[in-house]
Amino acid sequence: QVQLQESGPGLVKPSETLSLTCTVSGGSVSGYYWTWIRQPPGKEPEWLGYMLDSENIMYNPSLKGRATISVDSSKNQFSLKLKSVTAADTAVYYCARYGGNVRGFDPWGQGTLVAVSS
Amino acid sequence: QSALTQLASVSGSPGQSITISCTGTSRDVGGYNYVAWYQQHPGKVPKLMIYDVTNRPSGASNRFSGSKSGNTASLTISGLQAEDEADYYCSSYTSSGTWVFGGGTRLTVL
Repeated sequence: QVQLQESGPGLVKPSETLSLTCTVSGGSVSGYYWTWIRQPPGKEPEWLGYMLDSENIMYNPSLKGRATISVDSSKNQFSLKLKSVTAADTAVYYCARYGGNVRGFDPWGQGTLVAVSS
Repeated sequence: QSALTQLASVSGSPGQSITISCTGTSRDVGGYNYVAWYQQHPGKVPKLMIYDVTNRPSGASNRFSGSKSGNTASLTISGLQAEDEADYYCSSYTSSGTWVFGGGTRLTVL
């Protein structure tokens, strides 16, 4: 059974870069779209982007080029970098898997709260 | 991209059936059979309940079913139980190759 776990700082200063890593256990990172989703407190989830391989990456246009997703197959991990953060980027960040026989985001990691504040 | 439109709240009594709707456009819900539904209990991780409009993943109760007509997708929960009380979010693939979520519907079991 595949499990995902996010890790990274819980506090980031405005204008700096948010960096998160998702470790995949119980399965390979090959052949799936590895996804980042965030959910501001009390609001709906927001899809940030996903990556299958270096030629198949999509981002939410609302991020205006600030996001980068990468996959490290050797470590069975994938990551998110979001630059020039503001308070509006404060949210619970989830990693998730998409693809295979189930075309939905499943499973999800437990989520990690990232606050942007000085 | 705009969030898909969902009613803020819906309620029902145990044993009843309720339907939650999700309205988009021809560029998302109406254009693709890639609509999914997620259940989220307070403080918990969203759980996939329906994908590809009508399909249930293993582990999702068969009391949950999905459908679509035009630009509106629907989630029906039959035989309502107290444990179904949660927030429900729809999501859809879009013509831009991205995904969009709905604003969410809070289900209250009376």
